Amino acid sequence: AQKVTQAQTEISVVEKEDVTLDCVYETRDTTYYLFWYKQPPSGELVFLIRRNSFDEQNEISGRYSWNFQKSTSSFNFTITASQVVDSAVYFCALGGGGGNKLTFGTGTQLKVEL
Amino acid sequence: EAGVTQSPTHLIKTRGQQATLRCSPISGHTSVYWYQQALGLGLQFLLWYDEGEERNRGNFPPRFSGRQFPNYSSELNVNALELEDSALYLCASSLGSTWDTRNYGYTFGSGTRLTVV
Repeated sequence: AQKVTQAQTEISVVEKEDVTLDCVYETRDTTYYLFWYKQPPSGELVFLIRRNSFDEQNEISGRYSWNFQKSTSSFNFTITASQVVDSAVYFCALGGGGGNKLTFGTGTQLKVEL
Repeated sequence: EAGVTQSPTHLIKTRGQQATLRCSPISGHTSVYWYQQALGLGLQFLLWYDEGEERNRGNFPPRFSGRQFPNYSSELNVNALELEDSALYLCASSLGSTWDTRNYGYTFGSGTRLTVV
């Protein structure tokens, strides 16, 4: 069975601070896919990134960066110089195997204050 | 390009009634997925449709059903509504039905908030 753990339920930071959201996953699949989504108060899930298990290259996109470590089954997400607009719930998700199902973590509520 | 659209935005039903939720995928996307986001339970996979067929189903009772139309839009039906069915129902679509480079990531709609009273 697949499982995604986001141990941080809620994080509060002051604007311009860096923040890292943790994600640990479990799977028996040899090929799998990891995702991060952002859910603002409007409810829509906004796709941020997909990482394939066979590609361990880390990625940076503007203020966002992702650290994929297969050895520790982690796929952490860092926001540099956080902004109020980053306030949202962030979900890590795991896909793979059959059925095209995504298994989501329980999400981390990020609050960025002035 | 229009995103995934869901209707209605909000729906209030009485226990025992039926609810119908609708989803239009991004143009060209053939796969549609339904997820339930209930308070305290996170996002749970409900159904996956591709090319008009149900391909996978989550751990939900049979009163949760749906279909996909020839234009790839989809309907989710929930019969004999129960109070615990109150949730945000999210629809997503993807290009292709396999985990290949085209299926880069699901695109989600804004959801239908179903309230059962």
